[in-house]
Amino acid sequence: NAGVTQTPKFQVLKTGQSMTLQCAQDMNHEYMSWYRQDPGMGLRLIHYSVGAGITDQGEVPNGYNVSRSTTEDFPLRLLSAAPSQTSVYFCASSRDRVTDTQYFGPGTRLTVL
Amino acid sequence: EDQVTQSPEALRLQEGESSSLNCSYTVSGLRGLFWYRQDPGKGPEFLFTLYSAGEEKEKERLKATLTKKESFLHITAPKPEDSATYLCAGGNTGGFKTIFGAGTRLFVKA
Repeated sequence: NAGVTQTPKFQVLKTGQSMTLQCAQDMNHEYMSWYRQDPGMGLRLIHYSVGAGITDQGEVPNGYNVSRSTTEDFPLRLLSAAPSQTSVYFCASSRDRVTDTQYFGPGTRLTVL
Repeated sequence: EDQVTQSPEALRLQEGESSSLNCSYTVSGLRGLFWYRQDPGKGPEFLFTLYSAGEEKEKERLKATLTKKESFLHITAPKPEDSATYLCAGGNTGGFKTIFGAGTRLFVKA
């Protein structure tokens, strides 16, 4: 099993550009989440999904969009990138609940100029 | 407001020098207290889940304990390969949210 995979690993955007961060898992987990990690701060939840077709907002959802058309994939879209979105983004999946043991991907380091 | 606070921010140890990392939490309806290890440039990796006060779990040189307000990660006779950032997190029963602390960066020198 590959676990949770994320692409790309690094990305540089200009302010106003849009892009999609990809996340996929092969563990048949129903629950998936997107977090951002900034220096000196804990991981903060952006959006989460409790199954295909069902998503909800987390702690810091503004400027981000998600969809969940399949169990395996959970892409995160930046609608119009801003410098404040410079961060490391992690996708995670869990088997039973969003708040259970989570398996994280390797992360995407995003810089917005 | 739900909160998880970790201390110290950074800890430098000599190889073999045992110590503890602290995690203080206020999480309504705590479902579970999690410890993760994060190596530079990688995603967090699960270590332990603790569910009730008094519970303890061990893995190699690591032991996690839980009280009603705090959790400790005890590191016995650490080795350089234990150097990493250790994250503590509380699972919120009602809010579908896991609250993460900022982490403790551990450096173990040979």
